[in-house]
Amino acid sequence: DAGVIQSPRHEVTEMGQEVTLRCKPISGHDYLFWYRQTMMRGLELLIYFNNNVPIDDSGMPEDRFSAKMPNASFSTLKIQPSEPRDSAVYFCASSSWGGNEKLFFGSGTQLSVL
Amino acid sequence: SQQGEEDPQALSIQEGENATMNCSYKTSINNLQWYRQNSGRGLVHLILIRSNEREKHSGRLRVTLDTSKKSSSLLITASRAADTASYFCATAGNNDMRFGAGTRLTVKP
Repeated sequence: DAGVIQSPRHEVTEMGQEVTLRCKPISGHDYLFWYRQTMMRGLELLIYFNNNVPIDDSGMPEDRFSAKMPNASFSTLKIQPSEPRDSAVYFCASSSWGGNEKLFFGSGTQLSVL
Repeated sequence: SQQGEEDPQALSIQEGENATMNCSYKTSINNLQWYRQNSGRGLVHLILIRSNEREKHSGRLRVTLDTSKKSSSLLITASRAADTASYFCATAGNNDMRFGAGTRLTVKP
C-alpha cells in the first residue's frame, strides 16, 4: 500500500483565495483525521470521519474551514477565504479503528498564505 | 485542543545515552500512543499502550503508563544520532486522538 497520500505537498496562496487540500487514506481504513500543526499551537485535531461521516468537527477553527469525504478513498479540507494565520502544515491520517489503533500519517501539506 | 503535555520540551544527549520523555494528560483514556516526527515529515507511530497495561517494550523503546497519575514515559535506550526527532504522546478517548506539544530530542554523535 502506498500509505496516506496528501496533495499538494506545498501551497502558496494570497490572502482571500480559496485553498483545497486533498487526502487519500489507506484502503480499508474506516477513520480519517485532519490535523493542523503550528509552532504556537502544536498538533490540533480539526475534524475526523468514520465511514465517510463527520463525527467531531469541534476543532474546525471557523466557518471558513470545511471538510468533506465523498467516498472512502478521498477527503478534502477547504479554506475559503484564506488568511495569513491559516499558514501551517496540514496533516491527514487514517486508521482502521479510530484512536483505538495506530494512525498512519500522510506527508502533510505546507500551506503559506501571503 | 491538546490533551497531553510532554516534558521536557527539549532534550539533548550524547549518542549511547538513554533518553527519557514524560507525558501527562487530563482525562480518562482508552490507550496512549507515542509518535515520532522527523523535521518536515509526517508522524510515525512508535508504540501503543492500553489503559490496562503498565509497561510495554519494543526494541530499544520502553513505555510505562500510570493511569492513577495520568502520566506516561518513553525511554529510548542506547540512543543513536538517527533518533534525533520530535516525539509526541497522543491520547485516545472515544475514537479521536489528541497530541501533546512534543519533546525535541537531539542526539549528538
